[in-house]
Amino acid sequence: GAVVSQHPSWVICKSGTSVKIECRSLDFQATTMFWYRQFPKQSLMLMATSNEGSKATYEQGVEKDKFLINHASLTLSTLTVTSAHPEDSSFYICSAREGTASGGHQYFGPGTRLTVT
Amino acid sequence: DQQVKQNSPSLSVQEGRISILNCDYTNSMFDYFLWYKKYPAEGPTFLISISSIKDKNEDGRFTVFLNKSAKHLSLHIVPSQPGDSAVYFCAAFPGSGNQFYFGTGTSLTVIP
Repeated sequence: GAVVSQHPSWVICKSGTSVKIECRSLDFQATTMFWYRQFPKQSLMLMATSNEGSKATYEQGVEKDKFLINHASLTLSTLTVTSAHPEDSSFYICSAREGTASGGHQYFGPGTRLTVT
Repeated sequence: DQQVKQNSPSLSVQEGRISILNCDYTNSMFDYFLWYKKYPAEGPTFLISISSIKDKNEDGRFTVFLNKSAKHLSLHIVPSQPGDSAVYFCAAFPGSGNQFYFGTGTSLTVIP
C-alpha cells in the first residue's frame, strides 16, 4: 500500500525555538496533504489542509502564523511550529490523499512527537 | 463539538471471542465511514470502510455495520487476536470537502 513518512519521529526543543516536521509520500503523488494534532486520549484534530502549489487552508482556531505549512512538491509537505511553547507539545500526524478525488483514502504518516521544554 | 463519538475509551476481550467497537455520529450529512487502527507512537492505518448506501461491509475477520437511522456504526472483530490490541478510531466523511471527523478512539486489549 501507499507509504507516508514523517521526519523526525521525535523531537525535543526549547521554548521559543522553531521546529520543522516533514511529511513525504514515498510511492505516490499527493496533491493534498493534511496535518493533524492528537492530544493524549483525544481524537485526531485536523489543523490544516495543504495543497501543492497553493496556500494551506487552516481550520478554525489554528494560528496560521504559528503553524507554517509549505507544500512545495507533490511528495513533500512541511509543518513548522514557530516560537514553540510547552502547550505546543503534542503528537503531530500528517496524511496524504492519493489522487485528486474528494474523499479518497488518506494514508497516514507515523507521527511526530514534539516536546517543548 | 464532537460530531463523532466513541463512548467506550477501552475494551478488553478474551482471545478468540468477538470484539465489538461502537461509534455514534450526529451529522446526517456523513455518508462515508472508516475505521482506523493505531498502535502507540504510530500513525493510524486504514482498516475498513462503509458507504452510507450499505449497512454492512465485511473483510476477513472485520465487519462494519451501519445503522443510519440510529446514526450508529460498529466494528466487529471475530475471532479476536492479541495482535488486534490497539486503539481503534472511527471516522466520518461528509461527502464533500476534505475533512474527516474522527472519534476519540477505543483502546482494545485482547487477552491471550
